[in-house]
Amino acid sequence: DAGVTQSPTHLIKTRGQQVTLRCSPKSGHDTVSWYQQALGQGPQFIFQYYEEEERQRGNFPDRFSGHQFPNYSSELNVNALLLGDSALYLCASSLTSGTNTGELFFGEGSRLTVL
Amino acid sequence: QKEVEQNSGPLSVPEGAIASLNCTYSDRGSQSFFWYRQYSGKSPELIMSIYSNGDKEDGRFTAQLNKASQYVSLLIRDSQPSDSATYLCASKGGSTLGRLYFGRGTQLTVWP
Repeated sequence: DAGVTQSPTHLIKTRGQQVTLRCSPKSGHDTVSWYQQALGQGPQFIFQYYEEEERQRGNFPDRFSGHQFPNYSSELNVNALLLGDSALYLCASSLTSGTNTGELFFGEGSRLTVL
Repeated sequence: QKEVEQNSGPLSVPEGAIASLNCTYSDRGSQSFFWYRQYSGKSPELIMSIYSNGDKEDGRFTAQLNKASQYVSLLIRDSQPSDSATYLCASKGGSTLGRLYFGRGTQLTVWP
């Protein structure tokens, strides 16, 4: 049973550039959430996608956008990168339909460094 | 503002001891609570979930929830060096939306 997979695992960008991160949810899961984790902090919610729509959004600027595809995979896009965007970006999958325990399963993350 | 606060740590215990990790939350509407373990450089891994008042045991781990006090804790019995990690407490509201609110984490070191 494949878990949550993310790509790329590491990447380095310069200020002003754009980045796209990708995620495939755990088999059987239909909901993808994205979190940003800065060094020494807990994960902060960016947004959540279900049925190809953004259902909920955290306190992040419009530079952060996303997409969910019919196969439930998802992308996170960040435009006009800032130094402060350097963080570990975590994709988490869960199941919304049916019994909802709220449990999230995380991928290994994409570590973004902005220079 | 829905906040989750954890005792700042770091926490250091000898092998075989009981490690106690604590967490408080501000949103009385929170219904579900989770403990994640995060090794350095790795992603969070779910180790315990608890939904009703009282204790929930799973092997060496016991989660405790007191909704009246808005308090969640995690006890690790017979601590092992492999338990050394950062432990994240998270809460979720009552809706079907799956957003979790995380604390900053408590770093635990278990020394041999």
